[in-house]
Amino acid sequence: EVQLVESGGGLVQPGGSLRLSCVASGFAFSSFAMAWVRQAPGKGLEWVSSFSGSGGSTYYADSVKGRFTISRDNSQNTLHLQMNSLRAEDTAVYYCAAVAGTHSDYFDLWGRGTLVTVSS
Amino acid sequence: QTVVTQEPSFSVSPGGTVTLTCGLSSGSVSTSYYPSWYQQTPGQAPRTLIYSANIRSSGVPDRFSGSILGNKAALTITGAQADDESDYYCVLCLGGGIWVFGGGTKLTVL
Repeated sequence: EVQLVESGGGLVQPGGSLRLSCVASGFAFSSFAMAWVRQAPGKGLEWVSSFSGSGGSTYYADSVKGRFTISRDNSQNTLHLQMNSLRAEDTAVYYCAAVAGTHSDYFDLWGRGTLVTVSS
Repeated sequence: QTVVTQEPSFSVSPGGTVTLTCGLSSGSVSTSYYPSWYQQTPGQAPRTLIYSANIRSSGVPDRFSGSILGNKAALTITGAQADDESDYYCVLCLGGGIWVFGGGTKLTVL
C-alpha cells in the first residue's frame, strides 16, 4: 500500500526539541522530493520544509529557518524533521507529503499527520 | 513576501456551480507557478485535487476542474454535492522547493 506514516509528535515545553519521522511505503521513496506541511489549530495549511529527491537540497519557510532541520534516510524510506527552540506558535499538526510533478511542483501523497503541542 | 489570496468563504446550492480563485497580493498567477488545489475536511489530511493548474489527480471526479482565469488560478466545482462541503486550499510553487499556501476557502453547500 502506498502510504506515509508520521510519528514523533507530542507535548513539549517552549524552548524544547522534538524529532518527527515519516516512514514511506509502496513507492520509490528515494526518487521523490519530500516535504513537511503544518496546520495550527483552526488555521490553514503552511509549507514548512522540503528535501529534494536528488542532490540533497533543503528548503525552509522563514518561520522555521535556523530552528528546524529536515533530513532523509533513503535506506530506511524515512523523512525526519528535527525541531529545536520550539515556540507556542509551532503548535500544529505536522503532515508529511511526497512531492510529484514534472518540476516537483505539487504534493501528491499525504500522511495523516502528527500533533505537536508546545506549551508549559 | 509572497501572499496567496483566496476567498475566506463561499456557498453553493446543491447541483450548482462554484468557482474558487487563487491570486497573488502582487502580480498574476500563471502556469509558471504550477498552481495546485487541495480539499480538506475537519480532522482529515488534505486530499490532492488539481495540479499544474488543470490536471485532475487520480480518482478525482470530473466535476472538479482547474484553470487560469485572468490573473488568478481557479477551481470550479460543477454540480456541487453535499460532501463537497470542505476547506479548499491552493498552493503556488515558487520554485526551488518552496511553496506558498493560500489561506483557504471554506465552502458551504446549502
